[in-house]
Amino acid sequence: SQQGEEDPQALSIQEGENATMNCSYKTSINNLQWYRQNSGRGLVHLILIRSNEREKHSGRLRVTLDTSKKSSSLLITASRAADTASYFCATDEWSGGSNYKLTFGKGTLLTVNP
Amino acid sequence: SAVISQKPSRDICQRGTSLTIQCQVDSQVTMMFWYRQQPGQSLTLIATANQGSEATYESGFVIDKFPISRPNLTFSTLTVSNMSPEDSSIYLCSAPGLISDTQYFGPGTRLTVL
Repeated sequence: SQQGEEDPQALSIQEGENATMNCSYKTSINNLQWYRQNSGRGLVHLILIRSNEREKHSGRLRVTLDTSKKSSSLLITASRAADTASYFCATDEWSGGSNYKLTFGKGTLLTVNP
Repeated sequence: SAVISQKPSRDICQRGTSLTIQCQVDSQVTMMFWYRQQPGQSLTLIATANQGSEATYESGFVIDKFPISRPNLTFSTLTVSNMSPEDSSIYLCSAPGLISDTQYFGPGTRLTVL
């Protein structure tokens, strides 16, 4: 079953604007990661935020995590046409031994218009 | 970070045949993961491949359909057996980074079954 659920499913903005994507999940997590996928290619890791962190920055990216609401947001500031991609959140579950898995949300398709 | 390569990058196959996908990591890792991404969908974990033991399959995936090999700590293969058009997907392998919980992904194999 899908752990993370992103919204919106699709987002279209103009270059220079900010883009915010949200992710909700259902169970307790250790970490939450955000990935970017360009046009059906491999996933590029953007940022990891741990369950004891509330906010993290990386360049134009800002991620927040609210474990009480089981939600996270990804903010891309000053967007560029090259940011056009699908963005996925993924939560990890570690239940001891070799039982580890990463569960992905459905993704947000971001289109940045020049 | 981990650098992961996959071969082939894409293939078009006939119904009833099998395809083996190779995944190479540039460092030794205990666990490697295989995911499927059906058209327009998110990623679903197929199985976890541990070196020296049988792969652990997720619900809905079976070894007869998706046999996995893990001969050493840097390499794994996934075979898609007796293919049907419903197997048309992107198949991605992943592995954790050396010093964090980050998971890195290969570029994916785009499979089309006619």
